[in-house]
Amino acid sequence: GQNIDQPTEMTATEGAIVQINCTYQTSGFNGLFWYQQHAGEAPTFLSYNVLDGLEEKGRFSSFLSRSKGYSYLLLKELQMKDSASYLCAVLDSNYQLIWGAGTKLIIKP
Amino acid sequence: ETGVTQTPRHLVMGMTNKKSLKCEQHLGHNAMYWYKQSAKKPLELMFVYSLEERVENNSVPSRFSPECPNSSHLFLHLHTLQPEDSALYLCASSPLGPGLAIETQYFGPGTRLLVL
Repeated sequence: GQNIDQPTEMTATEGAIVQINCTYQTSGFNGLFWYQQHAGEAPTFLSYNVLDGLEEKGRFSSFLSRSKGYSYLLLKELQMKDSASYLCAVLDSNYQLIWGAGTKLIIKP
Repeated sequence: ETGVTQTPRHLVMGMTNKKSLKCEQHLGHNAMYWYKQSAKKPLELMFVYSLEERVENNSVPSRFSPECPNSSHLFLHLHTLQPEDSALYLCASSPLGPGLAIETQYFGPGTRLLVL
């Protein structure tokens, strides 16, 4: 079966760095998405990786290793507004999105 | 600004009620989706429409009935729901649709549904 694993919840301190991991087992791979979802709001697109390596976008970076079936989202200089759930999703060989359950990130002052 | 709106934002209904959820996208996309989001569970794809035709139905109970009158509007009609149907229902759109391209989905804020 197809499976996406990510931690249920993480806590970090304002100003610090946090890494949210995502491992996947899917039928084929056409890329991996990260979405951010604030409580009571729409998920919004953060990043898309299809090649191995690190992609940086401001305070947020996303890494992919296809051979390991592994990705992480790195958030630097954490701000209180980064408190949200982070959803990992993989596009399989049929271009269907397979979603993880999301990681709730709590930022403390 | 999301470009995808959903109404109502919150809904409480009894098991014998009939209600409808509405989604509208202002992005000129061809595909629209209904998802169910339950706490600590992955998003569950319910229905997909591409150019107003249903292209996917993931074995959803018949008490959920979708309608797509045009590429900008999507409805989810609800009747005789069960308490376990309580969840956040998210609508999304994408430019082309599943299986056609690698594309980002754009989500609405969701309708928080509580079935008593």
